[in-house]
Amino acid sequence: EAQVTQNPRYLITVTGKKLTVTCSQNMNHEYMSWYRQDPGLGLRQIYYSMNVEVTDKGDVPEGYKVSRKEKRNFPLILESPSPNQTSLYFCASSPYRRGATDTQYFGPGTRLTVL
Amino acid sequence: RKEVEQDPGPFNVPEGATVAFNCTYSNSASQSFFWYRQDCRKEPKLLMSVYSSGNEDGRFTAQLNRASQYISLLIRDSKLSDSATYLCVLRTGGGNKLTFGTGTQLKVEL
Repeated sequence: EAQVTQNPRYLITVTGKKLTVTCSQNMNHEYMSWYRQDPGLGLRQIYYSMNVEVTDKGDVPEGYKVSRKEKRNFPLILESPSPNQTSLYFCASSPYRRGATDTQYFGPGTRLTVL
Repeated sequence: RKEVEQDPGPFNVPEGATVAFNCTYSNSASQSFFWYRQDCRKEPKLLMSVYSSGNEDGRFTAQLNRASQYISLLIRDSKLSDSATYLCVLRTGGGNKLTFGTGTQLKVEL
């Protein structure tokens, strides 16, 4: 089954404790992206990757890191989480055709609470 | 002005009703437009792309008005299962970035 998976689905942590949220897709998509969703603000892009070893900042990259060592994986790293990073996080992937991203397929989301 | 604006709703409609949402955008360079559907606390899923000539998929009709910079979604014969948040999404420039609206909530009632 074609899908995007994220782990963990729920996480409660404390300020300053490094964490990683994994994202994996089995559709051989070139493009992957991370979003956060907050009430009243909609989905905002954190980072995206056009292909292996190619990443770039989205709208709200501060406090986050990403890496793209393999095509299927795109982990999101919070080196020192803070309470303002409490949010619902989505990973998404899409094929990259004709110079533009196509339909985005989203993972199920990770609900993160930073105390 | 926000890049994408949507009425948050909620729109409460009876089953069988026709309902329409609009979404306005500020960047005239926006190239591609989509409607995504998001159920409560779940991931967004593509509902339909929006083409310049307008397009229809069953009970759903999407239209684009470039002159007035808005897109619309019309749902006919609403079903209880249509209850969700509808996100207006657009792509601008080189195609690397999607911009999401905050969504319009629809509640279809018996």
